[in-house]
Amino acid sequence: ETGVTQSPTHLIKTRGQQVTLRCSSQSGHNTVSWYQQALGQGPQFIFQYYREEENGRGNFPPRFSGLQFPNYSSELNVNALELDDSALYLCASSLGNRQGATLHFGNGTRLTVT
Amino acid sequence: RKEVEQDPGPFNVPEGATVAFNCTYSNSASQSFFWYRQDCRKEPKLLMSVYSSGNEDGRFTAQLNRASQYISLLIRDSKLSDSATYLCVVNFQKLVFGTGTRLLVSP
Repeated sequence: ETGVTQSPTHLIKTRGQQVTLRCSSQSGHNTVSWYQQALGQGPQFIFQYYREEENGRGNFPPRFSGLQFPNYSSELNVNALELDDSALYLCASSLGNRQGATLHFGNGTRLTVT
Repeated sequence: RKEVEQDPGPFNVPEGATVAFNCTYSNSASQSFFWYRQDCRKEPKLLMSVYSSGNEDGRFTAQLNRASQYISLLIRDSKLSDSATYLCVVNFQKLVFGTGTRLLVSP
C-alpha cells in the first residue's frame, strides 16, 4: 500500500510569487484535503476535492486554488504569495467524502515566503 | 471564541504518570470527534476516535461530554514515546483541529 506523498518537501519563495504543491493520494483513496499548519497552530482546512471537484472550502482567499486529477492526485496553487503564507502545507487522503472519514496525511511541504 | 480550544501545554510528566487533556468545542451540532497525534516536524496521525459512550485503546481512554461540549484524553502509564502534540479534532461539515497540547514525558 502506497501512502500519501507530497512534493516538494521544502520550498522558499518570495512575496508576490506563485507556488504549486503536489500530492499523491494513498492507493484506493478518492478524496484529498489540503491543510495549512502555521508554527504552533493546528492544521487549518483549506479545501477538499472529491472525484475531481471541490467539495468544501475553509476560510482561505481565492488565491488559494486546487485541482484533482483522474488518478486522484492533487495540486494546491497559491498566487500572490504573502509572508503569512509561510507554513507547513499538509495533504490528506481518505476513502470517500463521508464526514469524519479517517485522514491519512502526507509528510507535508514546508513553504517559506521571504 | 475558537471552534476548538485546547491548553497548549506543555505538560511535563515523569514516566509512568497518568495525564489527561481536555478540549472544548463551540458548535453543538458537531458530529464526530477524534484525537490525532503529531510528532515534532511530522504529519498528524489518527490516535483514536471518540465515542459518546467513551472508549479505550490500551493505555488511552477518550471521553465525550456533549452537554458540556468537551472531550478528553487520558493516558495511563506514560511512556517516553508518548511525547508528542495531541490534536483534538471535531467534525462539523469539515474537520476542525485544535492547536494541540504538547506532552513531554521524562525518565
